[in-house]
Amino acid sequence: SQQGEEDPQALSIQEGENATMNCSYKTSINNLQWYRQNSGRGLVHLILIRSNEREKHSGRLRVTLDTSKKSSSLLITASRAADTASYFCATLGSSNTGKLIFGQGTTLQVKP
Amino acid sequence: GAGVSQSPSNKVTEKGKDVELRCDPISGHTALYWYRQRLGQGLEFLIYFQGNSAPDKSGLPSDRFSAERTGESVSTLTIQRTQQEDSAVYLCASSLLSSSYNEQFFGPGTRLTVL
Repeated sequence: SQQGEEDPQALSIQEGENATMNCSYKTSINNLQWYRQNSGRGLVHLILIRSNEREKHSGRLRVTLDTSKKSSSLLITASRAADTASYFCATLGSSNTGKLIFGQGTTLQVKP
Repeated sequence: GAGVSQSPSNKVTEKGKDVELRCDPISGHTALYWYRQRLGQGLEFLIYFQGNSAPDKSGLPSDRFSAERTGESVSTLTIQRTQQEDSAVYLCASSLLSSSYNEQFFGPGTRLTVL
């Protein structure tokens, strides 16, 4: 079963606006990762945040993690049409068995 | 260096036939994963290989599904007596399990269509 629940399921914004996606999970984690998927094919790793971190930045991406609420958010600033894709969160359990559990994803459309 | 590769990229088969999907992980990656993604859905974990340990098969949906991995290289996912509900994109990923972060690198997937 999937651990991560993401919202919204779909998001449509204009180029230049910010996009925020949220992810909630159920069990304790080692880390939480965000991936992007274009055209229903392979996923690309975007950013990882460890359970003892609260915020992390990478270029136009900002990820926050609240372990007390078991939730994370991904913010994409100054969005571009090329950011149009599906975004998935994935959690690595605290026992670090190596298995990632993926959420259902948020589909982002950035209109030029 | 080369990423994860999968073959074929597309496979159309008739209901009841067997199919084999192949994954070539990144050289040196000890962990290999198979996922299934139905249209518009998230990733569904199928099976996970970690070095020489027994694989975690907890995600395989039925005994029609099986997978093998030779050492720390190629893996094949076999679906026997395919059904229409098996239609999906099958994604393979590999990672350096020695890393505590376990970032996974994905292949482009195989799109399976069962008629």
